[in-house]
Amino acid sequence: AQSVTQPDIHITVSEGASLELRCNYSYGATPYLFWYVQSPGQGLQLLLKYFSGDTLVQGIKGFEAEFKRSQSSFNLRKPSVHWSDAAEYFCAVGASGTYKYIFGTGTRLKVLA
Amino acid sequence: DVKVTQSSRYLVKRTGEKVFLECVQDMDHENMFWYRQDPGLGLRLIYFSYDVKMKEKGDIPEGYSVSREKKERFSLILESASTNQTSMYLCASTLAAGSMNTEAFFGQGTRLTVV
Repeated sequence: AQSVTQPDIHITVSEGASLELRCNYSYGATPYLFWYVQSPGQGLQLLLKYFSGDTLVQGIKGFEAEFKRSQSSFNLRKPSVHWSDAAEYFCAVGASGTYKYIFGTGTRLKVLA
Repeated sequence: DVKVTQSSRYLVKRTGEKVFLECVQDMDHENMFWYRQDPGLGLRLIYFSYDVKMKEKGDIPEGYSVSREKKERFSLILESASTNQTSMYLCASTLAAGSMNTEAFFGQGTRLTVV
């Protein structure tokens, strides 16, 4: 069955530190992969997406993610975190042949001043 | 600018009431979705629609129904609200039918409390 795993429920980093949020997926074919961010009380906003081609993708707000097929991973990174990055982050996969997106359970990021 | 609008940010309803959550998109998108978001469970798909008057059950359709009479509007209906339906509800839309290589655009969410 298709699934998305975000192993870290909560992550706390200091402002200015680097960040990596983990995402692993289980999917038979080449997946369509997404990272979304949700600020408190808001809907989800797309950070970046991967469909094909270069495995390192750049997104908004200085985020990037790397697709590693051998590890079934699509980890999100940022070299220097800002206090405004505090939010919940969701990894998702688009299931080809269906209309479904499968979301991970989310990682809540806290940023210390 | 792309926009998905949910009619209410916060709702408080009584057990047994019929509840309507409305969602409108202005992007001429074919697909529309209703998700439920609960802590530790992520987003779970309730229903989706790929065309006017067409709908498909998602992963947790029990206790819910939907209506899509116009392309831009997708309504979620709780026939008889119960306390276990207290949650954040998110509407989303996507452009292409039959393909998931496209991003979803989300509304701001409706936080429903059933008392």
